[in-house]
Amino acid sequence: EDQVTQSPEALRLQEGESSSLNCSYTVSGLRGLFWYRQDPGKGPEFLFTLYSAGEEKEKERLKATLTKKESFLHITAPKPEDSATYLCAVQDSGYSTLTFGKGTMLLVSP
Amino acid sequence: DAGVIQSPRHEVTEMGQEVTLRCKLISGHNSLFWYRQTMMRGLELLIYFNNNVPIDDSGMPEDRFSAKMPNASFSTLKIQPSEPRDSAVYFCASSLLGALGETQYFGPGTRLLVL
Repeated sequence: EDQVTQSPEALRLQEGESSSLNCSYTVSGLRGLFWYRQDPGKGPEFLFTLYSAGEEKEKERLKATLTKKESFLHITAPKPEDSATYLCAVQDSGYSTLTFGKGTMLLVSP
Repeated sequence: DAGVIQSPRHEVTEMGQEVTLRCKLISGHNSLFWYRQTMMRGLELLIYFNNNVPIDDSGMPEDRFSAKMPNASFSTLKIQPSEPRDSAVYFCASSLLGALGETQYFGPGTRLLVL
C-alpha cells in the first residue's frame, strides 16, 4: 500500500526566512510525485510533478527536489502570500490514482 | 479555459436527506476523480471514472454513496440518506489520462454540513 508522510505538520516562518518541507513516500514503483498548494476554502492548486530521482523543478520562490525515498519543497525568502497548506501526492506505476499526504500548513509572518 | 466547476459550493442539510453534488470536467479531459477532505483523514479518493466508466470505487464508504457520469463532461455524487459523519469538503478533479504526468486539476469543492 502506498504511503505518504509529510513533515512538519505546521511551520511558522518569518518573511525572508528560508526553509524546507519534507515528503517521505513508499510506493512499489513511482510514476510521479506531485506537489499542490491549498489555500483556505479552495481546492488544491497544482505546483509541480517530479518523475525520477535527481529531478528538480522551480517556480518563483519554490523548488521541489526528489530522491528515491523523499521529496523536499524548498521555500526561499518566503513572503506572507506563500502561506498555505502544501500537499504532496504519489502516483504508483500502473495506476492513475494519487495517494496524498496530510499536508504541511505554512504560515509566513511579515 | 474554465477550470473544474462544482456546485453547490455550500450545502447544509438535515440527517436523512438526499444530497447531490455536481461536477463539470475541464473540456477535453477524460477522467474524473471524487475526493473527500476532512481534518482527521485528509484527502481521500472516493471513486474515479475514465471515459465515463467507473474504474475504482473502493473508496466509496458505503452503499449510501453513489456516483454517476452520464456524459463525458459531467458527474454527480449522491448521498442518500445523509448522516452527520458525511460532513466534509468534497472535491472533484479532472485529468487527461494517457498524457505525461496525468496531472489532476481540482475544483473549488463543496462544503457539506449534515445536521
